[in-house]
Amino acid sequence: KAGVTQTPRYLIKTRGQQVTLSCSPISGHRSVSWYQQTPGQGLQFLFEYFSETQRNKGNFPGRFSGRQFSNSRSEMNVSTLELGDSALYLCASARDRGSNYGYTFGSGTRLTVV
Amino acid sequence: SQQGEEDPQALSIQEGENATMNCSYKTSINNLQWYRQNSGRGLVHLILIRSNEREKHSGRLRVTLDTSKKSSSLLITASRAADTASYFCATALMEYGNKLVFGAGTILRVKS
Repeated sequence: KAGVTQTPRYLIKTRGQQVTLSCSPISGHRSVSWYQQTPGQGLQFLFEYFSETQRNKGNFPGRFSGRQFSNSRSEMNVSTLELGDSALYLCASARDRGSNYGYTFGSGTRLTVV
Repeated sequence: SQQGEEDPQALSIQEGENATMNCSYKTSINNLQWYRQNSGRGLVHLILIRSNEREKHSGRLRVTLDTSKKSSSLLITASRAADTASYFCATALMEYGNKLVFGAGTILRVKS
């Protein structure tokens, strides 16, 4: 079966712009989580969506937001981009809430803010 | 701040040798998971061990969990060049609805 698909793979944006990243989970998976990976901070949890509702949120400013659609696909949006938002953004899907079976990650979207 | 601390930060071994990576964490957990990442790509789930388990095997991987010491280890036996990657432990925290908190990772290099 198809894995977790993240689009686009690479993105270059200018400070102050906004960006939307997309994640299509594995078919049948209803939980989608987002993580940010940077060399300085490592992997940090952004938020988790399940049944179109945000269930959990990490310590990120309100410029970071997301949503989940009825087909479980998810998008995350970052507004007013800052240089420090340059990172690899990873999406992970799971069958249900909780991580008792592990998560399947996508290949990520590498965002560069210039 | 990150929940897990991994040790060593980097490890370089010869093909065929065993590699051991350690992870320590701070709070009570539901489970602990190990992931591999190749060259800044996505994470690949390797193995999950629940808080009531002490040891788990999967192929050449062996994971132990000591909840009294809040630590885990990942052993890769008979390593191969293809095992070269970054390895992360991630804890699913009870009080945070099972979100994953990752350690800083161990960079493993297997020389052929």
